Amino acid sequence: EVQLVESGGGLVKPGGSLRLSCAASGFTFSSYSMNWVRQAPGKGLEWVSSISSSSSYIYYADSVKGRFTISRDNAKNSLYLQMNSLRAEDTAVYYCAGESRGKFDYWGQGTLVTVSS
Amino acid sequence: QSVLTQPPSVSAAPGQKVTISCSGSSSNIGNNYVSWYQQLPGTAPKLLIYDNNKRPSGIPDRFSGSKSGTSATLGITGLQTGDEADYYCGTWDSSLSAERWVFGGGTKLTVL
Repeated sequence: EVQLVESGGGLVKPGGSLRLSCAASGFTFSSYSMNWVRQAPGKGLEWVSSISSSSSYIYYADSVKGRFTISRDNAKNSLYLQMNSLRAEDTAVYYCAGESRGKFDYWGQGTLVTVSS
Repeated sequence: QSVLTQPPSVSAAPGQKVTISCSGSSSNIGNNYVSWYQQLPGTAPKLLIYDNNKRPSGIPDRFSGSKSGTSATLGITGLQTGDEADYYCGTWDSSLSAERWVFGGGTKLTVL
């Protein structure tokens, strides 16, 4: 059974930092590009960042470029998102998603990040 | 403002058919495959359609997809109350200024 389990969310003050993790199992993690997609309360999906299977290619949404860093450890079947200089508008549920051949095959259950003073 | 444009909501009676449109441009839908995702209330999104019109295993053939030019359409026939959800289109967007994944703003389906 495929599982993606996010962790690391919580309440943080504006300007603070948080590191999200995503533990993968049930599929060949090292063969998939991995992504972070977020959803603000009551809003739609917003793609955040993507990392290729070997970490050769990394992309960010303009809204997080320079503040967020995506990384992965294929030996640990894990995906990470380091979030710095957090803003109120970063408040959202953050999903990790496995992507292959132009589709998001697998999604985690999400972890909530709340940025508030 | 989403790069891909979807109607905010659609509705139809049980057993009827509904279509959801997704409009983009040459930098996204016009040159890339479109996928569709279903998000039931309180749950994570789930892949519904990929490569414009293919269904993953386990997705009933009541769900279909098509693409023409810079627009895509999701169709659902034989509507059931369990189909009430938010539906999102998504694709890769590649322009001179950026490469990124983009989603539509989402369409809320109500089965009356």
